[in-house]
Amino acid sequence: AQKITQTQPGMFVQEKEAVTLDCTYDTSDQSYGLFWYKQPSSGEMIFLIYQGSYDEQNATEGRYSLNFQKARKSANLVISASQLGDSAMYFCAMREAGINTGNQFYFGTGTSLTVIP
Amino acid sequence: DVKVTQSSRYLVKRTGEKVFLECVQDMDHENMFWYRQDPGLGLRLIYFSYDVKMKEKGDIPEGYSVSREKKERFSLILESASTNQTSMYLCASSSPGDRLNQPQHFGDGTRLSIL
Repeated sequence: AQKITQTQPGMFVQEKEAVTLDCTYDTSDQSYGLFWYKQPSSGEMIFLIYQGSYDEQNATEGRYSLNFQKARKSANLVISASQLGDSAMYFCAMREAGINTGNQFYFGTGTSLTVIP
Repeated sequence: DVKVTQSSRYLVKRTGEKVFLECVQDMDHENMFWYRQDPGLGLRLIYFSYDVKMKEKGDIPEGYSVSREKKERFSLILESASTNQTSMYLCASSSPGDRLNQPQHFGDGTRLSIL
């Protein structure tokens, strides 16, 4: 089974609007971490935001926030006030706790976001 | 800031050649990774290493090998390059698994074309 599922291959959003990128995950661990990355067309992977499974508050970093619903095993990324520079691929990833199991990161297939002027 | 440096941004090689992709990180990270990225398939793990001279196969190790002789350097080797290995290759590093909130840090990627 896929550890991380991103069901939206492509999304469009009007400039200055908010957009939600979906991510669901599958784990039987109680302790895990969830990450979102941005990949512009130039190719580098940029870390955006982290949410721990025990964090009580949803994570926020500037215009990025994470809508974390533990019971539904979802960790959706919300980008507020979209800008043209937000056009990129976005990847959701998970890391499970543990010295050995925590070495691996699991990535989704990504969502391509296009911001329309 | 963590710096992960991949030796080439673009590389063109011929079928049957032995190809070396080099990756160096400067943050003393124990873990290093090689991924392959293809459209619609996301990032697929080829190999990772959690210590010097240690390696673990990922999801798609066939046709690849790796070398980690020093902690900061992790090399990906295509033993005999084939056209289906044309792809974007990403190197990453991270701290050990008990530091759950630490992300992976990526290099800029190598776009490899096999002709």
